[in-house]
Amino acid sequence: DIVMTQTPLSLSVTPGQPASISCKSSQSLLHSDGKTYSYWDLQKPGQSPQLLIYEVSNRFSGVPERFSGSGSGTDFTLKISRVEAEDVGIYYCMQSVQLPITFGQGTRLEIK
Amino acid sequence: QVQLVQSGAEVKKPGSSVKVSCKASGGTFSSYAINWVRQAPGQGLEWMGGILGMLRTPNYAQNFQGRVTITADEFMTTAHMELRSLRSEDTGVYFCVRSGGYHPRNNWLDPWGQGTLVTVSS
Repeated sequence: DIVMTQTPLSLSVTPGQPASISCKSSQSLLHSDGKTYSYWDLQKPGQSPQLLIYEVSNRFSGVPERFSGSGSGTDFTLKISRVEAEDVGIYYCMQSVQLPITFGQGTRLEIK
Repeated sequence: QVQLVQSGAEVKKPGSSVKVSCKASGGTFSSYAINWVRQAPGQGLEWMGGILGMLRTPNYAQNFQGRVTITADEFMTTAHMELRSLRSEDTGVYFCVRSGGYHPRNNWLDPWGQGTLVTVSS
C-alpha cells in the first residue's frame, strides 16, 4: 500500500496569514499516462470531506483561489494564501494511482 | 447535480452484520464508481472498497477482504455496503463517495454522502 505522510499534524493560523501543509507518498504518484494522481480534501467540523484539489494542482469546482496545490512524484504541498475562518477543519492528502486508495493522517487547521 | 443520501445510524452486536445503503438523488452513478470509506472515532479516512460503474464489479481493500460486500442495483441508483462479523473496532462513520470516473483508480472522490454512524456494542 502507498503510505501518505502529512506534516504538520496541526496548524494554528491567524486570519489573513498563509498556511502550508506537506504530504509525502511512499511511492511516486506519477502514472504512465503522464498524470499524477494526488488530491487534497477538507473535512470541516461535523461535515463529510470535500474535494479541494485534484491531480496535484487543479482546483475543484467552487474552490476559492486562495487554495493552491503543487508538487510532483512523491512530494506535494497545499497552500492557503490567506486563511479565513471558514477554512478550519482537517485537511487530508489522498492518492488513487494504486489501489487501495490511501489518505494521509490529516492536518488539523485552527484559527488563532 | 447528484447527491448521495445514506441510510440511518445503526447499533449492532459484536458478531452480527450491518448493511448500509447509498442512494443517488437527482440521477444515477452508472458511469462512475461508488466507494466506501470508514472513519473511526477521532481518526482518519480508510478506503474499504468500491464498485465499478457500468460493470458493477467490486474491488476491496485487503484489510476488509472476506468481510465486506459492496453491491449496486441494476440501474446504479443505489449502492450497498455489507460488513460482517462486526467487532467493536468497526465502530465509526461509513461514507459512500463517488469517483470521478468509472474506476476508483486514477480518479478523485466527490461527492460524499452524509455518512452513517455504525456503533458496535454488546
